[in-house]
Amino acid sequence: QLHLQESGPRLVKPSETLSLTCSVSGGSISTSTYYWGWIRQAPGKGLEWIGSIYYSGSTHYSPSLKSRVTMSVDTSKNQISLTLNSVTAADTAVYYCARGFAGSGMDVWGQGTTVTVSS
Amino acid sequence: QSVLTQPPSASGTPGQRVTISCSGSSSNIGRNTVNWYQKLPGTAPKLLIDSNDQRPSGVPDRFSGSKSGTSASLAISGLQSDDEADYYCAAWDGSLNGYVFGTGTKVTVL
Repeated sequence: QLHLQESGPRLVKPSETLSLTCSVSGGSISTSTYYWGWIRQAPGKGLEWIGSIYYSGSTHYSPSLKSRVTMSVDTSKNQISLTLNSVTAADTAVYYCARGFAGSGMDVWGQGTTVTVSS
Repeated sequence: QSVLTQPPSASGTPGQRVTISCSGSSSNIGRNTVNWYQKLPGTAPKLLIDSNDQRPSGVPDRFSGSKSGTSASLAISGLQSDDEADYYCAAWDGSLNGYVFGTGTKVTVL
């Protein structure tokens, strides 16, 4: 059974970089038919798609975050990573990683990790 | 501001049928499939409906999805207390070149 687990600092200072890792177990990320996504939910707000990446490294980013986001895959560690630069309080949210089948929705999700941006 | 618009709330009594709408445009729902997610407080979103009307394994058949033109709908029949949650539609938007979530609908079981 596929399991996703997000990890990373819970507290990030304004203007610094948020870095999260999604560790995948129970399956390989090196499958061309799947994509891996990052989604967040700020307190009291709705779901926001951050971006997606295929194991080949092909990426799609949210237009509103594109200038600050980078995603990458580490097939040797079976991990996906997310970095978000120049964070502000508006980036405080629960961050989720998820898997989706190409052309379909995201069917496997991590439990999420809460990141707070504060000095 | 999301490009997919949903009513902020919907409600019904146990056993009733509730329908949630999702309004988009030709760049998203009009040309791509729609997914629906259920979000319970403190838990990760769950894929409820895939590709407009497909239920993933384990999703009760009380949940159904449909799409027509630039709009989509999620129907919950035989409403249960466990169905109290936030529901989000989502689709790929070709103009934005990104995946977009709807504004979300909170379902309350009266």
